Amino acid sequence: GNSVTQMEGPVTLSEEAFLTINCTYTATGYPSLFWYVQYPGEGLQLLLKATKADDKGSNKGFEATYRKETTSFHLEKGSVQVSDSAVYFCALLDNTDKLIFGTGTRLQVFP
Amino acid sequence: NAGVTQTPKFQVLKTGQSMTLQCAQDMNHNSMYWYRQDPGMGLRLIYYSASEGTTDKGEVPNGYNVSRLNKREFSLRLESAAPSQTSVYFCASSEWLAGASYNEQFFGPGTRLTVL
Repeated sequence: GNSVTQMEGPVTLSEEAFLTINCTYTATGYPSLFWYVQYPGEGLQLLLKATKADDKGSNKGFEATYRKETTSFHLEKGSVQVSDSAVYFCALLDNTDKLIFGTGTRLQVFP
Repeated sequence: NAGVTQTPKFQVLKTGQSMTLQCAQDMNHNSMYWYRQDPGMGLRLIYYSASEGTTDKGEVPNGYNVSRLNKREFSLRLESAAPSQTSVYFCASSEWLAGASYNEQFFGPGTRLTVL
């Protein structure tokens, strides 16, 4: 079946450090891929998306590239800020329009 | 435009009590969803409704019922709450836009439920 695996957290970084959160998926075909972000006490918000192989999604300085060969969609940011502290979820949209989520990775950024 | 709203924000129940979680969206979306979020497990789909008048089970439906009251509202009912239902519950809605290659789900702020 479809599944998403992402690295366990928490990820703890100093401000301006480089961020990578790994995400790999198992799916039939080529699903759309997403990163959602959850700030403390809030619901999930779509951060970025990619709908086909080699697409790069980007938003707010975050980027992720849809890699068909490695079935991966790693999230990166060149210089994190304290305000980026949140939980990040990788997800895929299956062929029945349902989102399959990874377990989430907590990012903590310290000044 | 409030998006997706949920009530209540917090709730404490005793084992065996019942309650209904309310969800409403003002984006005229056809599809609505209920998820639960547990530590280390991400979000898991409880029930969804592809359109007004239809509901289907998701990954973890046991112990829950839903009602798609109209296009705007989708409620989740716990008939006899159990401690295993302690969780954060999220409602979401979505719609395929003409010409789009994906549909984006919009989430409510969540309801934190504790069952003692």
